Amino acid sequence: GENVEQHPSTLSVQEGDSAVIKCTYSDSASNYFPWYKQELGKGPQLIIDIRSNVGEKKDQRIAVTLNKTAKHFSLHITETQPEDSAVYFCAASWIQVNNLFFGTGTRLTVIP
Amino acid sequence: NAGVTQTPKFRVLKTGQSMTLLCAQDMNHEYMYWYRQDPGMGLRLIHYSVGEGTTAKGEVPDGYNVSRLKKQNFLLGLESAAPSQTSVYFCASSPGQRDGYTFGSGTRLTVV
Repeated sequence: GENVEQHPSTLSVQEGDSAVIKCTYSDSASNYFPWYKQELGKGPQLIIDIRSNVGEKKDQRIAVTLNKTAKHFSLHITETQPEDSAVYFCAASWIQVNNLFFGTGTRLTVIP
Repeated sequence: NAGVTQTPKFRVLKTGQSMTLLCAQDMNHEYMYWYRQDPGMGLRLIHYSVGEGTTAKGEVPDGYNVSRLKKQNFLLGLESAAPSQTSVYFCASSPGQRDGYTFGSGTRLTVV
């Protein structure tokens, strides 16, 4: 099955700095890559996703990039704010399966 | 619009007891999923459903059963609880195979 690796497991940044979280996937047929944010005591929430026919997607302060050749994708958060502190999960899926495979998560702490 | 609702939110079981976790969604989504979340292991798929009356096994199905008698409901059953099933359980739904998931707020289950 698909294997999704996520790094780093923890990340601390100063407020206003950028944060980058990286994920790699094993199956070259993967074609859908969402990112989820999980706040304490809540379920994960979709924040951005990208499909394999594009290389980058932006939504205000967050962006996702995809490198299909290297089989990795990254989440970029600019101008970080304390409310960005949460656990972030990447995931991948491909057309032969009906579900997402998740990374192990990154705990982001934004220091005021 | 409630989205995905999980009940109960917390439960403590004794080893060998049984219970059912209920998931209800009001978005008319075809796909529904049950995941478990354990520290350092991300989200692992237990079972899923691609429509009313259908169910399928995920990565970690042993010890669990599911039913989807109505499109809006997806039930997860534990027939004989074991301490290894202590976890946080999340239900999710999606419109289609490669769409973002909407997660519930989770059920924290402790088996003693």
